[in-house]
Amino acid sequence: EIVLTQSPGTLSVSPGERATLSCRASQSVNSVYLAWYQQKPGQAPRLLISGASSRATGIPDRFSGSGSGTDFTLTISRLEPEDFAEYYCQQYGSIPWTFGQGTKVEIQ
Amino acid sequence: QLQLQESGPGLVTPSETLSLTCNVSGGSISSDDYYWGWVRQPPGRGLEWIGVIYYTGSTYYNPSLKSRVTISVETSKERFSLELTSVTAADTAMYYCARHGRHLGTVAFDIWGQGTMVSVSS
Repeated sequence: EIVLTQSPGTLSVSPGERATLSCRASQSVNSVYLAWYQQKPGQAPRLLISGASSRATGIPDRFSGSGSGTDFTLTISRLEPEDFAEYYCQQYGSIPWTFGQGTKVEIQ
Repeated sequence: QLQLQESGPGLVTPSETLSLTCNVSGGSISSDDYYWGWVRQPPGRGLEWIGVIYYTGSTYYNPSLKSRVTISVETSKERFSLELTSVTAADTAMYYCARHGRHLGTVAFDIWGQGTMVSVSS
């Protein structure tokens, strides 16, 4: 099983600032099989990024994904008030598909 | 616009079977391009992949749950279902159904239901 470790656990950032979230895999992941989701309290997750760097439909361009192998990054270039939420990475190249434990982005 | 909606009991007795259904509307479940799956989230915790099904009936399950899980599909009714046997308190969670891209380079879980909370308790 591929374990995804996200860091930091909590990221305190001010609106307008840049946020960088990390997802590290215990084994190499083909980048086409790496996704990022945003989840707000009481809501279902929302797909942000597939294939490590392809934004899902309707996702603003302030969200970007990068990385390869075992190290992947989600960057939010300028945080908007609605971006404060929990973020999860997911790999779907190897059974079982697995999620990271999440990074909470909170208002500083 | 495709939508997913979970339904099923909110309370299940320990050792019994959890059964949920996901109704698909605004599109066809019989698509070559997608899997249909289940993800759960215990209260205050992260996401866990349960499994997915293709409209032909082929499935992939999480090995940690495989002995207890069955996902099935009814294409004529545009719905798919989850059964989880021998439940314990550890199965208490929000259960989501979701659509997942099937081909190389396509989307991950791109459409989700709102989720249904299932508690396991006597």
